[in-house]
Amino acid sequence: AQSVTQLDSHVSVSEGTPVLLRCNYSSSYSPSLFWYVQHPNKGLQLLLKYTSAATLVKGINGFEAEFKKSETSFHLTKPSAHMSDAAEYFCVVTHSSNTGKLIFGQGTTLQVKP
Amino acid sequence: ETGVTQTPRHLVMGMTNKKSLKCEQHLGHNAMYWYKQSAKKPLELMFVYNFKEQTENNSVPSRFSPECPNSSHLFLHLHTLQPEDSALYLCASSQLTSRLYNEQFFGPGTRLTVL
Repeated sequence: AQSVTQLDSHVSVSEGTPVLLRCNYSSSYSPSLFWYVQHPNKGLQLLLKYTSAATLVKGINGFEAEFKKSETSFHLTKPSAHMSDAAEYFCVVTHSSNTGKLIFGQGTTLQVKP
Repeated sequence: ETGVTQTPRHLVMGMTNKKSLKCEQHLGHNAMYWYKQSAKKPLELMFVYNFKEQTENNSVPSRFSPECPNSSHLFLHLHTLQPEDSALYLCASSQLTSRLYNEQFFGPGTRLTVL
């Protein structure tokens, strides 16, 4: 069965410092993985996706994530946090082929301090 | 803008009211979804429609009734709701293909409050 675990429910960084949001997954096949961001009272926006091509995936707003099969991880990083990055972040894995279902992590709240 | 719109953005209703949430996607996708997002709980998938046919109902109470008249529109009809149904209701769409990477595009959500 597919599952995803976000290791931190809350991460706090100072503006201009690196961001690391951790995600581990479990899958019985080669999954597709996504990171979504949700700003307060907004819908979810796709940040980036891994689809079995390059293991280092670049997304919008300077974020990137690296797929590490040996560690079953898909951590999200950004070299320098901006105040506008404060939001909820979701790591997501595909449920199985062709069903369209996604499995969402619990979410990580990113706080950015001035 | 993601190409998925939802109306209304906010809704307050009493437990005896009947209301409907509307979702429209302008992306040419063939699958649409309803999710419920409650405070401090993971995103809950409610319904999945694939080519207008309902393919998933995750044990959702019958007071929630979905309708998908065509591949671009999705409704969620609400009646005799409970206060615990208060949440953000998100609609999403995707293009189902033979590939695995079915990223979904989300609307802004409807914030529902049941009094």
